[in-house]
Amino acid sequence: LAKTTQPISMDSYEGQEVNITCSHNNIATNDYITWYQQFPSQGPRFIIQGYKTKVTNEVASLFIPADRKSSTLSLPRVSLSDTAVYYCLVGMMDSSYKLIFGSGTRLLVRP
Amino acid sequence: GAGVSQTPSNKVTEKGKYVELRCDPISGHTALYWYRQSLGQGPEFLIYFQGTGAADDSGLPNDRFFAVRPEGSVSTLKIQRTERGDSAVYLCASSLGGQANTGELFFGEGSRLTVL
Repeated sequence: LAKTTQPISMDSYEGQEVNITCSHNNIATNDYITWYQQFPSQGPRFIIQGYKTKVTNEVASLFIPADRKSSTLSLPRVSLSDTAVYYCLVGMMDSSYKLIFGSGTRLLVRP
Repeated sequence: GAGVSQTPSNKVTEKGKYVELRCDPISGHTALYWYRQSLGQGPEFLIYFQGTGAADDSGLPNDRFFAVRPEGSVSTLKIQRTERGDSAVYLCASSLGGQANTGELFFGEGSRLTVL
């Protein structure tokens, strides 16, 4: 399973765009990239998933370069409620699929 | 309910006691996962079920930990002879699984275990 590296913490202010980059140098051909968000005292929640190029949903965008050795989660115009831990994961989507979490990035959004 | 349900939400026990934690997954989800999360850390994989069988139990730390899913729905994580180091939040997640797997896991709110 591919190992991921992401910043331990990030600070931002309300209304700013936040970009969190994750490195996954040994990503395999069949691996997908998935991001989860976790608030205190809650389980992680799926944000977005992609394989290559760009994926956008109502919450975030995910940018994946051609070599797929990194990915960037982009949160547009963050609010205080976006303060959470964000996890980047890589893994295959098949019958033996499991997710291995790293330590995540703690995002603090200030007023 | 529509989400993954875990009980109890909090459990305090004494060292050496036996504990059971229950997970009720989303209806129709064939895949079920148990994770353990310590303060300040990411969730640590314990075991994965596809249907009734444990497809991957490589994350169980030792033989004091055991999990079952006898009818392919509700799962119970069992911890024997609890130790203080077992204190953590135990998270359960479910997903569609198999060929319908989209890679999205739905997590419960966890069971916080404290071993005194």
